[in-house]
Amino acid sequence: DADVTQTPRNRITKTGKRIMLECSQTKGHDRMYWYRQDPGLGLRLIYYSFDVKDINKGEISDGYSVSRQAQAKFSLSLESAIPNQTALYFCATSDLGQGYNEQFFGPGTRLTVL
Amino acid sequence: DAKTTQPPSMDCAEGRAANLPCNHSTISGNEYVYWYRQIHSQGPQYIIHGLKNNETNEMASLIITEDRKSSTLILPHATLRDTAVYYCIVGGSNYKLTFGKGTLLTVNP
Repeated sequence: DADVTQTPRNRITKTGKRIMLECSQTKGHDRMYWYRQDPGLGLRLIYYSFDVKDINKGEISDGYSVSRQAQAKFSLSLESAIPNQTALYFCATSDLGQGYNEQFFGPGTRLTVL
Repeated sequence: DAKTTQPPSMDCAEGRAANLPCNHSTISGNEYVYWYRQIHSQGPQYIIHGLKNNETNEMASLIITEDRKSSTLILPHATLRDTAVYYCIVGGSNYKLTFGKGTLLTVNP
């Protein structure tokens, strides 16, 4: 089984709808991240969490919110989806005590907002 | 975090070594050089990292110049499955990985 899973893998929604993307990990890592990727571009950080009670905004958090329900679960919500939020979304995890920043990524969720 | 510069694309023949360059002239003393790759639209995959010394693992070798202003990722025997976008990232041990556009490596049969 994959260490980092994301659901759904694909989602088509309409403008104005609320949508939640979910991420689960079995690696036992403290840190979790949400990124988005637009075509031809690198990944941009939306939110990150160092533990259940520590959630921080990344570089593009507007229009998004997150919830860290447990060490293993980190959800990303789009409160009112808009077409320019159409993108590939990745969840990632890393180990707090490792001393360097090796992040493990999920398979991604392809979101289309019509 | 320091900025990196990579060529947008490179080609390599299958079975040959692929050498991917990266410039990071503003790297600071406590920053690592990380390499990740992304195959098609899959999640990025960590390859290797280094601070000052050259590093090797089962996937690749990382050569860092003595002044640390540039580095080269070496895939010793490239296969078709190594076709991917390769990201060179400079950063500390904190949370932040800043992904640029990377280098699209195409391995040709």
